[in-house]
Amino acid sequence: GDSVTQMEGPVTLSEEAFLTINCTYTATGYPSLFWYVQYPGEGLQLLLKATKADDKGSNKGFEATYRKETTSFHLEKGSVQVSDSAVYFCALSNFGNEKLTFGTGTRLTIIP
Amino acid sequence: NAGVMQNPRHLVRRRGQEARLRCSPVKGHSHVYWYRQLPEEGLKFMVYLQKENIIDESGMPKERFSAEFPKEGPSILRIQQVVRGDSAAYFCASSPLAGIDEKLFFGSGTQLSVL
Repeated sequence: GDSVTQMEGPVTLSEEAFLTINCTYTATGYPSLFWYVQYPGEGLQLLLKATKADDKGSNKGFEATYRKETTSFHLEKGSVQVSDSAVYFCALSNFGNEKLTFGTGTRLTIIP
Repeated sequence: NAGVMQNPRHLVRRRGQEARLRCSPVKGHSHVYWYRQLPEEGLKFMVYLQKENIIDESGMPKERFSAEFPKEGPSILRIQQVVRGDSAAYFCASSPLAGIDEKLFFGSGTQLSVL
């Protein structure tokens, strides 16, 4: 079945550091790929998505490129801020909203 | 976040008791999804409901678990005779339409602890 393997956390970085959170997937067909973010006390929110190979999703300074050859969708940001502290989930979908497959989540803490 | 409300935030039950988890979707949303996150695992799809109908329950355990989304009121996930293995975070999400990824909104989750 489909699965998502995500970089284990927690991850702690200093403000303005470069961020990479690794995500690889196993899936049949051509899934859509997502990054969701959960800020403290809130629900998951869609951060960015990509629906086909070589697509790049981007939002709020975060980027991720759909790499079919390496089955990866790594999340990057050039300069993190304290407000980026949250839990980040990588996910895929072959069937739309109702059957998203998630990774375990990576807790990111940014220190001033 | 666009206002999916889940309650309670934390629920403690003893083995054998019933757990009822509530989810009020964003106003106007008629599609509700339940996901479960067991410790050290990713969120797993449980069930997809559309007002008064269960569309897909392929992720629901075969026994003790049920879900409803009545015409009026919140969606309810009910777990009968809870066991320690049911301890997890349960997330609800809603959308106005099926298959529109950008419009999927999640609640903050209910953390169920079974003693």
